[in-house]
Amino acid sequence: DTGVSQDPRHKITKRGQNVTFRCDPISEHNRLYWYRQTLGQGPEFLTYFQNEAQLEKSRLLSDRFSAERPKGSFSTLEIQRTEQGDSAMYLCASSLTVEEPQHFGDGTRLSIL
Amino acid sequence: AQSVTQLDSQVPVFEEAPVELRCNYSSSVSVYLFWYVQYPNQGLQLLLKYLSGSTLVKGINGFEAEFNKSQTSFHLRKPSVHISDTAEYFCAVSAFYGNKLVFGAGTILRVKS
Repeated sequence: DTGVSQDPRHKITKRGQNVTFRCDPISEHNRLYWYRQTLGQGPEFLTYFQNEAQLEKSRLLSDRFSAERPKGSFSTLEIQRTEQGDSAMYLCASSLTVEEPQHFGDGTRLSIL
Repeated sequence: AQSVTQLDSQVPVFEEAPVELRCNYSSSVSVYLFWYVQYPNQGLQLLLKYLSGSTLVKGINGFEAEFNKSQTSFHLRKPSVHISDTAEYFCAVSAFYGNKLVFGAGTILRVKS
């Protein structure tokens, strides 16, 4: 069990640029989640995959956000035309079943200049 | 829908003293309950979970929590804290067979020597 891995750990970009984050879940976990955490707040749910199917999306996931999990293993989260309000920690989690707790990665911290 | 209220944003306590971090939740359906801990610039680590059964749940690092269905509470306790317990603690719920965690805003525990 190598844990959930996220890359990069930090991303600094200019407003208007596109960014992409990667998440590698625990290998046998078929459930994968993305959350966003802003300063002083708890994580907020963005989206959920079961294998390669994206089964739930939050209203927080605007049209500028897209997530994929093409082969049911790693996942990517892309933000197009970044805005100041996108600055946050983006957390990925995975789990084996709905009853099992979600295991979190260390997150990608996005800073928009 | 579910919501979580953590009643204290910060809790200062002296080393070796007991501590209680309070969590109340609201849900129209049955839920699973969790406490996570987050150290600076890291992801979330599971402390303990309540799925069913005994309402007193023991977790890692000497923490325990008690589920009170009538008061819709899930308070976290530790009889004697250490400096190393200084971190932010999040209470979270998920609906039975739900696909996401709903988090509280977090409580920062500051342990002083």
